[in-house]
Amino acid sequence: AQSVTQLGSHVSVSEGALVLLRCNYSSSVPPYLFWYVQYPNQGLQLLLKYTTGATLVKGINGFEAEFKKSETSFHLTKPSAHMSDAAEYFCAVSEDDYKLSFGAGTTVTVRA
Amino acid sequence: IAGITQAPTSQILAAGRRMTLRCTQDMRHNAMYWYRQDLGLGLRLIHYSNTAGTTGKGEVPDGYSVSRANTDDFPLTLASAVPSQTSVYFCASSDLPGPTDTQYFGPGTRLTVL
Repeated sequence: AQSVTQLGSHVSVSEGALVLLRCNYSSSVPPYLFWYVQYPNQGLQLLLKYTTGATLVKGINGFEAEFKKSETSFHLTKPSAHMSDAAEYFCAVSEDDYKLSFGAGTTVTVRA
Repeated sequence: IAGITQAPTSQILAAGRRMTLRCTQDMRHNAMYWYRQDLGLGLRLIHYSNTAGTTGKGEVPDGYSVSRANTDDFPLTLASAVPSQTSVYFCASSDLPGPTDTQYFGPGTRLTVL
């Protein structure tokens, strides 16, 4: 069975500061990992995903995530936060089928 | 290209009433999904469809039914709504029902059951 834990339901950062969102997963097989973003009153959209190959994955809007098998982690980072990054972020995992298991989400607020 | 449209945007419903949430995609994707989003729980899969004519149960299917008569439409029906079904409902689709395929989400339907 697969599951995802996102550490911290709410993260507040200053504009220009590092954004770090933590995600740990449990999976019985090598997982496929995703980060989705949800802006207010909108549906989710894909930020990035890890399937195979390079463990450092770059996504849209300057975000990147690194798959670390030994730590069962897939943390999301952005070097410099922008006001437009205020949103809710979801980590998700799938195994050998197409069903995504989502974490509870982390809300990011950006202070001017 | 609209992607995925959902209707209604929001709805207040009396308990015991029947309600159908509509979902239409114009991407000719094979797979479609219904999720509910609740605070602190993330998104949970209700039902899914790998291709037109087939459906399957997700993590929280009780009280909900779906049909997939064609590629584009995937309605979700609450036969007799209960207050615990108050939630935001998202429809999603993916080109193929594979573990690496990106799912594309609609804007959601906010449902309140009183």
